[in-house]
Amino acid sequence: EDQVTQSPEALRLQEGESSSLNCSYTVSGLRGLFWYRQDPGKGPEFLFTLYSAGEEKEKERLKATLTKKESFLHITAPKPEDSATYLCAVRAGGGGNKLTFGTGTQLKVEL
Amino acid sequence: DAGVIQSPRHEVTEMGQEVTLRCKPISGHNSLFWYRQTMMRGLELLIYFNNNVPIDDSGMPEDRFSAKMPNASFSTLKIQPSEPRDSAVYFCASSKGGDGQETQYFGPGTRLLVL
Repeated sequence: EDQVTQSPEALRLQEGESSSLNCSYTVSGLRGLFWYRQDPGKGPEFLFTLYSAGEEKEKERLKATLTKKESFLHITAPKPEDSATYLCAVRAGGGGNKLTFGTGTQLKVEL
Repeated sequence: DAGVIQSPRHEVTEMGQEVTLRCKPISGHNSLFWYRQTMMRGLELLIYFNNNVPIDDSGMPEDRFSAKMPNASFSTLKIQPSEPRDSAVYFCASSKGGDGQETQYFGPGTRLLVL
């Protein structure tokens, strides 16, 4: 069974204090690891897809990296508007289009 | 471009009543997904369709839940009869393509409360 574990569950940062969120996964034949951002009362918003170990993608203050067992979402010099829940999901080989999600990391960036 | 549209945005009903949630996917997308999100279990896939055909409904919790996609631009998720434990946020998502590499885009969700 595919499993996705995210840590920490919650993270509080000061503005400008860089950090990383972790997504550990167990999947049979990874066909994509996805990062989403979710604001309160809204649907998840797509950020990145990573397909193979060593791959990296960046968007503004966010950078996602992938190894064979985990992915990191690095947040550089965060701002209060980066506060949200960050969700990680995996698509497995033979799983069709199904995504398995982790329970998310709730990030709060304070002034 | 309009994103995924869901209605209603909020629904409050009493136990035993029928509930119908609606979704309009992004135009041109051929896959549609229904998810349920709760604090305890996070985001769970209930069912998904490719080209209007149900492909995987293994996440549907029980026979009280049913989903249909009569055409490429409309899908419903029905709960009959509803129970308090069905209270959750229900999301619809859609994607384009068929090679498994496509990205899922989510709607704003329907917040369901069953009293």
